[in-house]
Amino acid sequence: DAGITQSPRHKVTETGTPVTLRCHQTENHRYMYWYRQDPGHGLRLIHYSYGVKDTDKGEVSDGYSVSRSKTEDFLLTLESATSSQTSVYFCAISERVYQPQHFGDGTRLSIL
Amino acid sequence: SQELEQSPQSLIVQEGKNLTINCTSSKTLYGLYWYKQKYGEGLIFLMMLQKGGEEKSHEKITAKLDEKKQQSSLHITASQPSHAGIYLCGADMLGSGGSNYKLTFGKGTLLTVNP
Repeated sequence: DAGITQSPRHKVTETGTPVTLRCHQTENHRYMYWYRQDPGHGLRLIHYSYGVKDTDKGEVSDGYSVSRSKTEDFLLTLESATSSQTSVYFCAISERVYQPQHFGDGTRLSIL
Repeated sequence: SQELEQSPQSLIVQEGKNLTINCTSSKTLYGLYWYKQKYGEGLIFLMMLQKGGEEKSHEKITAKLDEKKQQSSLHITASQPSHAGIYLCGADMLGSGGSNYKLTFGKGTLLTVNP
C-alpha cells in the first residue's frame, strides 16, 4: 500500500472557523491531489500539486486553498468553513503522469 | 451532464453469479482507471487501461477498454461477498499534453453480493 496518511481522520467544527487538513506521503511522489466525495456528485478534484510550491485549481476550488512546502506534505485549508463544505476529503498521490493515483483513507469533516 | 457515466448505479447479485459494470464517455478516454471503495474507506486501485482493445485481469476481475476508447467494462466472474463495495472508474479525458492532473470520476456503482 502507498504510504499516505491523512490527518485528522474525523473533525467536527463550526461554521466560520478555519480548518486545515494534512496529507503526508512517504513515497516521494511528485503529484498530489485533494478531492472531496459527496453523495450524488461522486469524487471531485479541489486542488492539485505538480511539485513543491507548484499548485493549481481543480473543479471545485472556491473556498479552499492549498500549500506544498515539502514534497511529502500537501495541506488543504478552508479559510472560513461553511456547511456546504461538509464532506469526505481524500488525498491522492501519483509518481508521474499516466500512472495511477493512490488514495489515502480520507478525512470525514462535519461543519455545523 | 456527467462526463463519465457509470451503469448500473447499484447492483445486487447472488454469490457465484457473474456481473458487469460499465463506464461510458462521450469523449475519448486516454487513460481509464478502475478503483474499489469499501464504505468509509479510501479507494483501492484495481487496474489501468490505456490502449483501445486492451484487456486486463486480476484474479476474478477483468477490465476492458473498447476499440474506440469511449467505454470500459469491469466484469467479475463467480462473485464473492469480498467483491462487495463501490466500484469507480476514473478517466484522463484531456489526452495530449501529457497530463493526468485532472482525472474525471464516475459516480460509482454500489455492488452487493448476497451469500
